Amino acid sequence: DTGVSQNPRHKITKRGQNVTFRCDPISEHNRLYWYRQTLGQGPEFLTYFQNEAQLEKSRLLSDRFSAERPKGSFSTLEIQRTEQGDSAMYLCASSFIDRGNEQFFGPGTRLTVL
Amino acid sequence: DAKTTQPPSMDCAEGRAANLPCNHSTISGNEYVYWYRQIHSQGPQYIIHGLKNNETNEMASLIITEDRKSSTLILPHATLRDTAVYYCIVRLNQAGTALIFGKGTTLSVSS
Repeated sequence: DTGVSQNPRHKITKRGQNVTFRCDPISEHNRLYWYRQTLGQGPEFLTYFQNEAQLEKSRLLSDRFSAERPKGSFSTLEIQRTEQGDSAMYLCASSFIDRGNEQFFGPGTRLTVL
Repeated sequence: DAKTTQPPSMDCAEGRAANLPCNHSTISGNEYVYWYRQIHSQGPQYIIHGLKNNETNEMASLIITEDRKSSTLILPHATLRDTAVYYCIVRLNQAGTALIFGKGTTLSVSS
């Protein structure tokens, strides 16, 4: 399967714990995006990478959130000191520089904070 | 905020055409209309996009009005697998531009 993959698919954690999610984009895609989706709403943009550079961050990305893409391939999204309001589906998408219009999404990681 | 307005839900009989409307009255001249869909428990999937001409691909057709203030996504022969939330998005045709999703239209296809 050469699509976008995300791990884990599900994560249950207790309030105050730290969690980290991983996204593996389609190989050769140099642009990577993170979105968050809560129940009944459309996805909301969080941040965007071009290669290893984080070029844009939404105001939704509080200081408890950090994202990295160290070698321009996979990316991680870490949430520190989780809160119940962080419960959501976290989606990753990637796109290729010469086909930047179409973003390919992964299946998402569903986070539940107890 | 999303720049589009869509009906919250629509129903369609299997095998019939599904016509999903979208209003985008504030669209600017260099913004495109994109359609994505999200099947339950999956990530969004790109369907089609256009600027002002009608577009067709293997999944759907996109009809954009002459004034570009509204558009219609057409699934010519809907199947049960087309049951999903459909999002109409207006955005610049630039790589790296974030997608701004609204609540979309939940299309239910029944046999």
